[in-house]
Parts: sequence; structure tokens; C-alpha cells
Amino acid sequence: AQTVTQSQPEMSVQEAETVTLSCTYDTSESDYYLFWYKQPPSRQMILVIRQEAYKQQNATENRFSVNFQKAAKSFSLKISDSQLGDAAMYFCAYRRRYNTDKLIFGTGTRLQVFP
Amino acid sequence: EAGVVQSPRYKIIEKKQPVAFWCNPISGHNTLYWYRQNLGQGPELLIRYENEEAVDDSQLPKDRFSAERLKGVDSTLKIQPAELGDSAVYLCASSLDGGNTEAFFGQGTRLTVV
Repeated sequence: AQTVTQSQPEMSVQEAETVTLSCTYDTSESDYYLFWYKQPPSRQMILVIRQEAYKQQNATENRFSVNFQKAAKSFSLKISDSQLGDAAMYFCAYRRRYNTDKLIFGTGTRLQVFP
Repeated sequence: EAGVVQSPRYKIIEKKQPVAFWCNPISGHNTLYWYRQNLGQGPELLIRYENEEAVDDSQLPKDRFSAERLKGVDSTLKIQPAELGDSAVYLCASSLDGGNTEAFFGQGTRLTVV
């Protein structure tokens, strides 16, 4: 069975600084997707960034980038130039590359951003 | 374009009472998911539909939970009777068919059973 582990329950960062959130996963599959979702107090899960396992290049989306280490099964999220609006719960998630299979989530990291 | 719409946003009920949640997915999305998110945890899948067919309901507690997706559009998730441990956020998500698709989430229903 696939599992996703987030070992940082809480992180904090000062506005304009950089922060990295950690995620590890376990799977026997070779082809899959990895995601970072943001969940603000409104509860809606918002996709931040996606990585396809067969791609060696790390995904980037504006201030958000990932460090994908397939052999180590590690998938960290780096947020640069942090903004107050980045404060939220962040969930790492895994999905097999099979039709529209379910997402498997970690337990989340609460990110606080201080002015 | 409207996103995934869920109602109600909040629900408080007494234990042993029934409760129902409604989800309207994004237009054209054939796949619909119901997830449950317990406090301090990530969401976990309860059931997944492909059109009208429930293709993965292995995590749905079938003794008290039921779901339907008539005509392959809207979906309803029901709990009868509710227990204290059912207090959680119930999230609905939808996506297009195919392997390279993103799931879009609604804002969820926060259920409190007292």
C-alpha cells in the first residue's frame, strides 16, 4: 500500500523569506503523480504544484518549486518570497498514474507566516 | 465556470440522527470523489464514481453510510444513524476522465455530531 508522510506538523516563516516543507512517500509503483495542496480556513483544497514521476525536472509554479528525489522517495516544497496569504495547511499527496485513481494524503503541515 | 459546489457548509446533529450531504461537480467531469477529513488529518477516500458507477467504495462504512450519483452528475452522501466519531469534514471532488487530470475540490461540509 502507498503511504505519504509529513513529519513537520507546523512550520513558520517570516514574510519575504523562504521555507521548505518536507514529504516522503512509499510506493512500489514506478509511474505516479505527486502533489502539494494548500488548504486555507475555507477548507477548499487548492492545487499548488504537481510532479510527474517520469519527469526528472523539478516542477515550478511562480514562487513554488519542488525538490523531487525519486530514489529517496522524497518530495519537498519550497516557497520563496513568502507572503501572508501563504499561511495555510499544506498537504502532500500521491496518486497512481492510473485513470482517475484516488489521492493519498499526508497528515499536513501548518504554515504560519509572520510579518 | 463554477467550481465544485457542496451543501450545507456546516451541519450539527445529535447522534443517531440521519444526515445528508450534496455535491454538484464541475460540468462535464465524469469522476466524482467523496473524501472524509478527520481533525488534524489529511482527507481519505470514501467512494469514487465513474459516471453513475461506484468503482471504489472499499473505505465506505456500508452499515451506516450510503451514496448515490443519479444520472452521473450530482451526488448525495448519507449517514444513518450518525455516531460521534463521524464528526469530520466531508469533501467532494471531481475530475475529467483520463490519467493526466487534476481533481478539483469543493469547500466541504463540516459535520458535528453531539
